[in-house]
Amino acid sequence: GESVGLHLPTLSVQEGDNSIINCAYSNSASDYFIWYKQESGKGPQFIIDIRSNMDKRQGQRVTVLLNKTVKHLSLQIAATQPGDSAVYFCAETVSGGYQKVTFGTGTKLQVIP
Amino acid sequence: GAVVSQHPSRVICKSGTSVKIECRSLDFQATTMFWYRQFPKQSLMLMATSNEGSKATYEQGVEKDKFLINHASLTLSTLTVTSAHPEDSSFYICSAPSGTGEQFFGPGTRLTVL
Repeated sequence: GESVGLHLPTLSVQEGDNSIINCAYSNSASDYFIWYKQESGKGPQFIIDIRSNMDKRQGQRVTVLLNKTVKHLSLQIAATQPGDSAVYFCAETVSGGYQKVTFGTGTKLQVIP
Repeated sequence: GAVVSQHPSRVICKSGTSVKIECRSLDFQATTMFWYRQFPKQSLMLMATSNEGSKATYEQGVEKDKFLINHASLTLSTLTVTSAHPEDSSFYICSAPSGTGEQFFGPGTRLTVL
């Protein structure tokens, strides 16, 4: 299923602090998860992904955690910078072939200088 | 990395007119492309799956006669909003999976219907 919010929740963090953005997904069959960053007026930009056979994956300054038991994803951003201010979406899909990607509600991250 | 472009980036039209939006995969072929719509402060909602050489597959609640999709080639899909009305004003985004299955998103098209 898909979740659509009437408004985006906002997370405000001080520059230099760590950010944690959470997401719940709905389809138990989903086995591939992606986090996207969207700046105002632009398309989504890939940040990091994780497959269902993993529970943690690290990138540069970002970490994704996956809890399949409760269908929960989180994105951790270390040492948050002003350039990280954007809307972040988690997305889920079923791998194999060109499967459609279903987006979560999204969270707006505001970094306070 | 792979690039997906959209044209135009912005369009303003009068109510009742039709608007065509193009989505191109610039350095890879895509037999499938996806069209999304995003209203302000909301998430991306999948409208339809565009299939090269066959009819598009529409999501529930999306009018196929209003949102015409043509996958003309392995690098081009078009979305035509027919008889546009103010409630069709939105941000339209396409995506295309590369050979590895990774999705690449276009920069979006802002449609404003007066």
